[in-house]
Parts: sequence; C-alpha cells; structure tokens
Amino acid sequence: EDQVTQSPEALRLQEGESSSLNCSYTVSGLRGLFWYRQDPGKGPEFLFTLYSAGEEKEKERLKATLTKKESFLHITAPKPEDSATYLCAVPEDTGFQKLVFGTGTRLLVSP
Amino acid sequence: DTGVSQNPRHKITKRGQNVTFRCDPISEHNRLYWYRQTLGQGPEFLTYFQNEAQLEKSRLLSDRFSAERPKGSFSTLEIQRTEQGDSAMYLCASSRRGQRGEQLFFGSGTQLSVL
Repeated sequence: EDQVTQSPEALRLQEGESSSLNCSYTVSGLRGLFWYRQDPGKGPEFLFTLYSAGEEKEKERLKATLTKKESFLHITAPKPEDSATYLCAVPEDTGFQKLVFGTGTRLLVSP
Repeated sequence: DTGVSQNPRHKITKRGQNVTFRCDPISEHNRLYWYRQTLGQGPEFLTYFQNEAQLEKSRLLSDRFSAERPKGSFSTLEIQRTEQGDSAMYLCASSRRGQRGEQLFFGSGTQLSVL
C-alpha cells in the first residue's frame, strides 16, 4: 500500500529564515510526486509535480526536489504570505489521479 | 477558467438528516473527483468520474453515500442518514484526461458539521 509521511507536522519560522519540509514515500513504482499548498478553509492549490530522482522545480521562494525515497520543499527567505499547510501526494497505479496525501506540514511565518 | 465551484460552502445538519452537495467543475475538464478531509489530515479519495461514468468508489464510501454526474457536467454528492463521523470538508476536484503531470484543480470545499 502506498504511503506518504510528512515532517515536521508544524513549523514556525521568522520572516527570512529559510528551511525545508520533508515528504517520504513508499510506492511500488513512482508515477509522480505532487506538492500542494492549502490555505485555511480552501481547497489544495497545485504547486509542483516531480517525476524522477534528481529533478528540481522552482516557483518564487519555493523549490521542490526529489530523491528515490523522499522529496523536499525548500523555502528560501519566506514571507508571512507563505504561511499555509503544504501537502504532498503520490498517485496510486490506477490511470487516474487517485492521490494518496500526507497529513501536511503547517507552516507559520512570522513578520 | 472560472475554477471549480462548490455549494454550499458550509452545511450544518442534525444526525439522521440527508444532505446534498454540488460541484461545478472547470468546463472543459472531463474528470471529476470527490475527496474528504478531516481536521489535521490530508484529503482522502472518495470517488472518480470520467465524463458521466462513475469508475471508482473508495471503500470509505458507504451505502449511505451516492454521487452522480449527469451528462458529464456538474456532480452531486448525497449523504443519507448522516452520522457525526461524516463531519468533514468535502472537496471536489477536476482535471483533463491525458495530461502528463495531470493537475487536480480543487474547489474550496463544503464543510459539513453533523450535530
């Protein structure tokens, strides 16, 4: 059974203090790893898809990387507006997007 | 692209009542999903539609739950005889088939509270 584990559960940063979030996964064959951002009371918003070990993608202050067993979401010089829950997910082998999500990391960036 | 729309945003009901939620996906998207999310957890898959056909249902979806997508457009999720354990955020998502890196576009969800 595919599993996704995220750490830490919660992270508090000062504005400008860079850090990384971790997502480890166990799947029989990786068909992509997805990162989403979720604000309180909203649905998840797509950030990145990674497919192969060594792949990296960037968007503003966020950079996602992938190894064979885990993915990292690096946040460089975060701002208060980066505060959100960050979710990672992997798709089951179904041919459609039956995603298995982790429990997320709640990030709070203080000014 | 007006996004995925869900109604109502909030629903409070008494145990034993029936509730129905509606989802309007992005117009050109032929795939539609329902997920459920409880506090502190990630979303969990409930069911999937390809056009009007419901192709998969999770074992989380008991007989009290039914979902439809008539004519492959909007979808409804009905819960009969609600229980307190049904309290959760119900999320709808849509996507377009065939894209590598197929993105799910989520709505803002319907927050259900069963008293």
